[in-house]
Amino acid sequence: SAVISQKPSRDICQRGTSLTIQCQVDSQVTMMFWYRQQPGQSLTLIATANQGSEATYESGFVIDKFPISRPNLTFSTLTVSNMSPEDSSIYLCSGLRGSGEQFFGPGTRLTVL
Amino acid sequence: AQTVTQSQPEMSVQEAETVTLSCTYDTSESDYYLFWYKQPPSRQMILVIRQEAYKQQNATENRFSVNFQKAAKSFSLKISDSQLGDAAMYFCAYQQGGSEKLVFGKGTKLTVNP
Repeated sequence: SAVISQKPSRDICQRGTSLTIQCQVDSQVTMMFWYRQQPGQSLTLIATANQGSEATYESGFVIDKFPISRPNLTFSTLTVSNMSPEDSSIYLCSGLRGSGEQFFGPGTRLTVL
Repeated sequence: AQTVTQSQPEMSVQEAETVTLSCTYDTSESDYYLFWYKQPPSRQMILVIRQEAYKQQNATENRFSVNFQKAAKSFSLKISDSQLGDAAMYFCAYQQGGSEKLVFGKGTKLTVNP
């Protein structure tokens, strides 16, 4: 089965700084997504990462705050910009197989002080 | 917009017993998919089971089975012969046909007691 890795697995950052999270899939997927999971909460879709073009953002999320890249079919990055304590969350990437199954990375736990 | 509701924030079960986790959803669509995901403390989301709305037969995967009641918009997960490794957060999710986006419920924390 396909595997997704994320780096870093966790980080503690100062407010006002930015963090870039990397997501690597070991096989081609049709689509990649980024989710946020706030403490004790469910997963909320941030955006769909589109290969070679701008990501498609969900309501409440904007490119200036969460720039996303996907230079090829198996790699994507999410940047959390100008961070505040409210951005403390787990960020997960996922990939969609041709079968329709969506599988997830292990997540990046971000703490903003 | 579609919504997914899990009314049980926490559940517990004795090892080897059976437990049922509830999920209801709201949609006006006829073509959709439903999922149960498991998130253990390691945070890795794992797909447990998937149900296509057009299928009347309930999906099963080993000890995991669902009770899909389309008219009632209910999608419960039954775990039989519970094991300690089943302890995790369980999320119910909805996906509209033709869309790849998942809408998640708030989750149910399952504790398995030895």
